[in-house]
Amino acid sequence: EAGVAQSPRYKIIEKRQSVAFWCNPISGHATLYWYQQILGQGPKLLIQFQNNGVVDDSQLPKDRFSAERLKGVDSTLKIQPAKLEDSAVYLCASSPRVREQYFGPGTRLTVT
Amino acid sequence: GQQVMQIPQYQHVQEGEDFTTYCNSSTTLSNIQWYKQRPGGHPVFLIQLVKSGEVKKQKRLTFQFGEAKKNSSLHITATQTTDVGTYFCAVARGAGGSYIPTFGRGTSLIVHP
Repeated sequence: EAGVAQSPRYKIIEKRQSVAFWCNPISGHATLYWYQQILGQGPKLLIQFQNNGVVDDSQLPKDRFSAERLKGVDSTLKIQPAKLEDSAVYLCASSPRVREQYFGPGTRLTVT
Repeated sequence: GQQVMQIPQYQHVQEGEDFTTYCNSSTTLSNIQWYKQRPGGHPVFLIQLVKSGEVKKQKRLTFQFGEAKKNSSLHITATQTTDVGTYFCAVARGAGGSYIPTFGRGTSLIVHP
């Protein structure tokens, strides 16, 4: 079974620029999560989708972050404009109904 | 929202020593999950505990859910260098049957050969 795919793996941008991340979950997984993980901390949930509907986005900074999951499969997370404090690893995870999460390799973002 | 405290933040052990990390909540939990993240890697699901007082074992790893379902522990017997990484617990918040995960800060295990 193929795992969760994410791209790019690394991205370096300057502050105020835009960036987008892509995630392809495990086939058949209805739930998709985007996390932000700052060095030395646990993953922080940004947004959770169930199929193509949003379950929770209470911790998503909506003035600069946006996410969508078209057709209930792939998802993109965008930051516009980026700030220095957005430097982190962005993790995508998916899960079947039993709630255990399968994480992708993550995208390491550096904002300079 | 649901908060969970994980202790200790770091633990250094000599190879062969035991290791325990704890996850504590002020409210009753419906379930708790444990994940392991190797340095430079991504979290990998280890186990989910649901029942009060539940104990599950995976080789040298023992997971326990408290009787009151407010705390949990992960114990590793005779650590090996392959156990190096950060161990996270994750709990659920949300109402009406929704499951919205919240991760602890993690305990980083350093094993000295």
